[in-house]
Amino acid sequence: DTGVSQNPRHKITKRGQNVTFRCDPISEHNRLYWYRQTLGQGPEFLTYFQNEAQLEKSRLLSDRFSAERPKGSFSTLEIQRTEQGDSAMYLCASSYQGSRLEQYFGPGTRLTVT
Amino acid sequence: GDSVTQMEGPVTLSEEAFLTINCTYTATGYPSLFWYVQYPGEGLQLLLKATKADDKGSNKGFEATYRKETTSFHLEKGSVQVSDSAVYFCALQGANNLFFGTGTRLTVIP
Repeated sequence: DTGVSQNPRHKITKRGQNVTFRCDPISEHNRLYWYRQTLGQGPEFLTYFQNEAQLEKSRLLSDRFSAERPKGSFSTLEIQRTEQGDSAMYLCASSYQGSRLEQYFGPGTRLTVT
Repeated sequence: GDSVTQMEGPVTLSEEAFLTINCTYTATGYPSLFWYVQYPGEGLQLLLKATKADDKGSNKGFEATYRKETTSFHLEKGSVQVSDSAVYFCALQGANNLFFGTGTRLTVIP
């Protein structure tokens, strides 16, 4: 069990560019979550998947954000036309439905929009 | 809606001091409650949890008791170490996701 991994760990981009992040959950986990954490704040929920189905999206997930989990394994989070306000740490977590209380977090991708 | 209010930091303690970090919650029903810890440069790690009223979660010398009467889940440790320096987050389980507090940064000095 290698844990949840995220790539890249850091991303610096210019305003208006598109970025994509990847999350690889723990292999037997069928639920995958995305959170966003800004400086001095706790993580805020963005969206979650059960297998390949995206079952919930928060109001924080504007139409510039899209997440996919095409084969029920890894997931990608894309931000189009980035804005400076998108600068944050993007966290991925996974859990097993049978024990959904235990969410395991990855190290995060830190996005800086200049 | 569901929310967590956490003691603001930062907190600085000397080694072997007693630690309390306050956490109160607002929720419908009785959600499961958690403390997560984030060490420098690392991801969030589950520290302890409690799933029902009066449950006590414990791990690594840390404890927290689920108090329904006061809607609280305060984190305590009797004797902190330098290695406990980290950011601590209180969280509650929503329908499908976790609701986190703002985090409390703890620094333990030798």
